[in-house]
Amino acid sequence: AQKITQTQPGMFVQEKEAVTLDCTYDTSDPSYGLFWYKQPSSGEMIFLIYQGSYDQQNATEGRYSLNFQKARKSANLVISASQLGDSAMYFCAMRDTGGFQKLVFGTGTRLLVSP
Amino acid sequence: DGGITQSPKYLFRKEGQNVTLSCEQNLNHDAMYWYRQDPGQGLRLIYYSQIVNDFQKGDIAEGYSVSREKKESFPLTVTSAQKNPTAFYLCASSSRDRGQPQHFGDGTRLSIL
Repeated sequence: AQKITQTQPGMFVQEKEAVTLDCTYDTSDPSYGLFWYKQPSSGEMIFLIYQGSYDQQNATEGRYSLNFQKARKSANLVISASQLGDSAMYFCAMRDTGGFQKLVFGTGTRLLVSP
Repeated sequence: DGGITQSPKYLFRKEGQNVTLSCEQNLNHDAMYWYRQDPGQGLRLIYYSQIVNDFQKGDIAEGYSVSREKKESFPLTVTSAQKNPTAFYLCASSSRDRGQPQHFGDGTRLSIL
């Protein structure tokens, strides 16, 4: 069975600093996809970035980048130049094997950005 | 604007009562999903549907029911058999492209009176 592990319940970072949120995964499927979502206190889930298992380059979207280390089965999210609005829960998710687009989620990391 | 609309935002259920949460999407997505989120937890899949008139149980389907009569709509009923329904419920949809993300609604917060 697939599994996503986020070992950091909470992280603190100062404004304008970079922060890395950890995510490790377990799967026996050679083809998989990894997603990161942001959940502000209002509750909606906001898609941030996607990495496919066969993608040669690490994904980047603006201030978000994904440090994808396939051999270590890790897909850490790097947020550069943190902003106060980045304070939220962050979830790593994996596309389920055989499933149409089912996602398996980690337990999340709460990020607090201080001035 | 295209998106997913969940209603109501807040819902209260009495003991022994069934309640229905609405989810509508205008993204022309084939697949729709319902998740449950408990405080401090990740999302757990309740039901999902890949096409109209078809749906499958997720990891925690007991006490819930769904229907998919239209492509745009995927309502979730929380039945009286669900003994601990207090949670945040999120609806999502996606296209057939496995590289595309699921898009989420703003959620419904269900509480017991």
